[in-house]
Amino acid sequence: EAGVTQFPSHSVIEKGQTVTLRCDPISGHDNLYWYRRVMGKEIKFLLHFVKESKQDESGMPNNRFLAERTGGTYSTLKVQPAELEDSGVYFCASSQLDTSSGNTIYFGEGSWLTVV
Amino acid sequence: AQSVTQLGSHVSVSEGALVLLRCNYSSSVPPYLFWYVQYPNQGLQLLLKYTSAATLVKGINGFEAEFKKSETSFHLTKPSAHMSDAAEYFCAVTSDTGRRALTFGSGTRLQVQP
Repeated sequence: EAGVTQFPSHSVIEKGQTVTLRCDPISGHDNLYWYRRVMGKEIKFLLHFVKESKQDESGMPNNRFLAERTGGTYSTLKVQPAELEDSGVYFCASSQLDTSSGNTIYFGEGSWLTVV
Repeated sequence: AQSVTQLGSHVSVSEGALVLLRCNYSSSVPPYLFWYVQYPNQGLQLLLKYTSAATLVKGINGFEAEFKKSETSFHLTKPSAHMSDAAEYFCAVTSDTGRRALTFGSGTRLQVQP
């Protein structure tokens, strides 16, 4: 079974440009999460989708960040325009919606973004 | 609100020595607790999880962790460190694995000396 996949794995863009990160969750996982780790800092929650709906977007830093999950499958996270402080690793995670057995939350390899 | 504190941003041990990485949590409801590991230039890999079953949880690569409610701790241990254990380790908590995001600690970088 395929795990959580993220694309691109690495991206270097100039300040002011746009970058779109994609996440494909594990098939059948209704929960999809985005997290970010800025260099040397904690892994911070960005937002949570349940199927195609945004369940919690309290961690989104500002309106330069836009996340979508069309059809409840893959998700994209767009940063427009990118700023230097957006550099870091963006992790996607997914899990099943059922809580009966203490679900495992699976993470992707991350998308490493560098804004120069 | 939930939080996680990992004591020691860097831990160094000798190969073959005991590994102890500390994690304390704060939660107003029964927590689910996780340890993840990130090897250099890789993603987050689940080591083990506590989901209110056994308080002593065994994970991959010889790691285990014990949930101690009275101490609000979930420390990670391994009896004998191996060079391949060098990585960054993250403790995380959530109140609901099906509907709530994880809150992570700041991470502990483990160095293993030959």
